[in-house]
Amino acid sequence: IVLTQSPGTLSLSPGEGATLSCRASQSVTSSFLAWYQQKPGQPPRLLIYGAFSRATGIPDRFVGSGSGTDFTLTITRLEPEDFAVYYCQQYGGSLPFTFGQGTKLEI
Amino acid sequence: QVQLKESGPGLVKPSETLSLTCSVSRGSIRSDSYFWSWIRQPPGKGPEWIASIYYSGDPYYNPSLKSRVTISVDTSKNNFSLRLSSVTAADTAVYYCARQGRNYYGQSLFFDYWGQGNLVTVSS
Repeated sequence: IVLTQSPGTLSLSPGEGATLSCRASQSVTSSFLAWYQQKPGQPPRLLIYGAFSRATGIPDRFVGSGSGTDFTLTITRLEPEDFAVYYCQQYGGSLPFTFGQGTKLEI
Repeated sequence: QVQLKESGPGLVKPSETLSLTCSVSRGSIRSDSYFWSWIRQPPGKGPEWIASIYYSGDPYYNPSLKSRVTISVDTSKNNFSLRLSSVTAADTAVYYCARQGRNYYGQSLFFDYWGQGNLVTVSS
């Protein structure tokens, strides 16, 4: 399954809202889709799993939604620490598990 | 909470074999609830899943790399390892080990804990 993220880069200011898109080339089984945040020099950090469930310790301003082939990560009220690269990843269906190419959220 | 740490060389020559080990601490690798995985990320690109394994064996691989990859687990040392043969410059990447959830049905889930990564450069 190929995951295509858009936009490639999103330029926003703290306090604004962000909408990141992830489109799959075929339906993702059981909404087995996750979102990760990655900052420079760090590993990806799990934010969302099962399309909409927040991982432990993730603030409620991170909201996942969608099903089938179209998924969205919404970040309400951007904080300075939210500026990073975001990846979606699918873990349903046939191998291999795949990641999107990323959306860079910049100030 | 569980911690993972990669170890291995930072430089490998073309055509040789890359070998990495992931040490797991603050948690047992012998868990019904997890698989143990390797993921790599070339500079400036998105992550690529390489392979995963359950503590009792049963590895599974990315088909694009399967012919060159071996993943293994050592429950006595609480670690797991990766071998990638016949490397080229295209294999230059940060290599991460990660814990992958496993549900009641034995299905693979998301990657919830990651090591800090080990940059491996393939160059003569």
